[in-house]
Amino acid sequence: EADIYQTPRYLVIGTGKKITLECSQTMGHDKMYWYQQDPGMELHLIHYSYGVNSTEKGDLSSESTVSRIRTEHFPLTLESARPSHTSQYLCASSGEATGVKAFFGQGTRLTVV
Amino acid sequence: KQEVTQIPAALSVPEGENLVLNCSFTDSAIYNLQWFRQDPGKGLTSLLLIQSSQREQTSGRLNASLDKSSGRSTLYIAASQPGDSATYLCAVLQGAQKLVFGQGTRLTINP
Repeated sequence: EADIYQTPRYLVIGTGKKITLECSQTMGHDKMYWYQQDPGMELHLIHYSYGVNSTEKGDLSSESTVSRIRTEHFPLTLESARPSHTSQYLCASSGEATGVKAFFGQGTRLTVV
Repeated sequence: KQEVTQIPAALSVPEGENLVLNCSFTDSAIYNLQWFRQDPGKGLTSLLLIQSSQREQTSGRLNASLDKSSGRSTLYIAASQPGDSATYLCAVLQGAQKLVFGQGTRLTINP
C-alpha cells in the first residue's frame, strides 16, 4: 500500500507565527503537489515539484513557500500565518509514468487565530 | 488554461440504483484522467485512472469512460450502497505535469 504522510493533522496557531507543514512519501515518486481546500470547496493547486531541487507555483496564488531537497520530503512553509490562511492543505505524490495514480495524504487542517 | 467541470454538484439517490457522474475538460491534451473519492475531512483516494490512449477502466462496481476528443468522462456506479456516499472528483494530468481537479460531485446514497 502506498504511503504518504502529512503532519500535523490539525494545527491551531496564532497570527504572525511561522509554520511548516510536513509531507513525506515512501514510494520514490518524483512528482509532488500541495493543494489548498476550503470546506466543501474545490482543490486549488498551490505548489508542485518534478523532483529534487524543482519547485513551481500552482494556479492559486499563495504566500507559502516549498522546498524539495530530498525526493521523499516536500514541506510547505508559511513565514507569517494569517487568519486568511485557515484551510485544509493536502499533499499528493505521483510517479513519473502517466499510468501511475496520484496518492494523497490525510491533510493538515490549519486554523490561524 | 485547463478547466474541469463536474455535473451535477450534488446527487442523492436511493440505495441500489445505478448512477452516472459526469466530468468535462476544456483542453484535450491530457496524459490521463483520474477519478477520486473524498470522505469528509479526509484526503483523496484514487479510484480509477484512464490513460489518454484508453477508453475505459473498471474496478468492481465502478466503470469510468473517457472520450478525449469531446473532453468528457463518466463514472458509472452500479448497485449503489450507503457506503458509496462521498464526494467524487475527477482530475486530468496535463502538460507541465499538473493535476487539475474539478469541483466534485457530492453523492448521498439513501438507505
